[in-house]
Amino acid sequence: GDSVTQMEGPVTLSEEAFLTINCTYTATGYPSLFWYVQYPGEGLQLLLKATKADDKGSNKGFEATYRKETTSFHLEKGSVQVSDSAVYFCALHDGAGNMLTFGGGTRLMVKP
Amino acid sequence: DTEVTQTPKHLVMGMTNKKSLKCEQHMGHRAMYWYKQKAKKPPELMFVYSYEKLSINESVPSRFSPECPNSSLLNLHLHALQPEDSALYLCASAAGLAGYNEQFFGPGTRLTVL
Repeated sequence: GDSVTQMEGPVTLSEEAFLTINCTYTATGYPSLFWYVQYPGEGLQLLLKATKADDKGSNKGFEATYRKETTSFHLEKGSVQVSDSAVYFCALHDGAGNMLTFGGGTRLMVKP
Repeated sequence: DTEVTQTPKHLVMGMTNKKSLKCEQHMGHRAMYWYKQKAKKPPELMFVYSYEKLSINESVPSRFSPECPNSSLLNLHLHALQPEDSALYLCASAAGLAGYNEQFFGPGTRLTVL
């Protein structure tokens, strides 16, 4: 079946540091890939998405590129802020099962 | 309006109570979802509705009963819950079931079962 693997957290960075959160997946067919963010006490918000190979999703300074050859969708940001502290979930939708498959989540803590 | 709303925000109930969670969206979305999220875990899918018909039931116990009275509303009726059912319950909606449609999540209802 489908699966998503994320790097375990927490990831602790200083403000303005470079961020990478690794995400790899296993799926049949050609899934759509998503990054969701969950701030404390809130629901999930879509951060960015990519629906086909080599697509780059971007939003609020975050980027991720759909790499089919390495089955990866790593999240990057050039300069993190304290307000980016949250839990980040990588997810895929293979289009067949009508459901999202989530990774385990990665907690990011950014210190001033 | 790109918002999914959920009420109540918090709910405390006993094991013999009956309560309901409510979810509403006005984006014209035709797919709606219930998820359960335990602390420090990703959301787990419970139910999926498509065009107001139940499409997926992920083997959820019968003490959880979903209802979709119209295209904008989704309810989750709760009865005889167990303490292990305490969790954050998230509602989501999407334009359709196809994989490229992102899901929009509500803020959740934090449920505590005593």
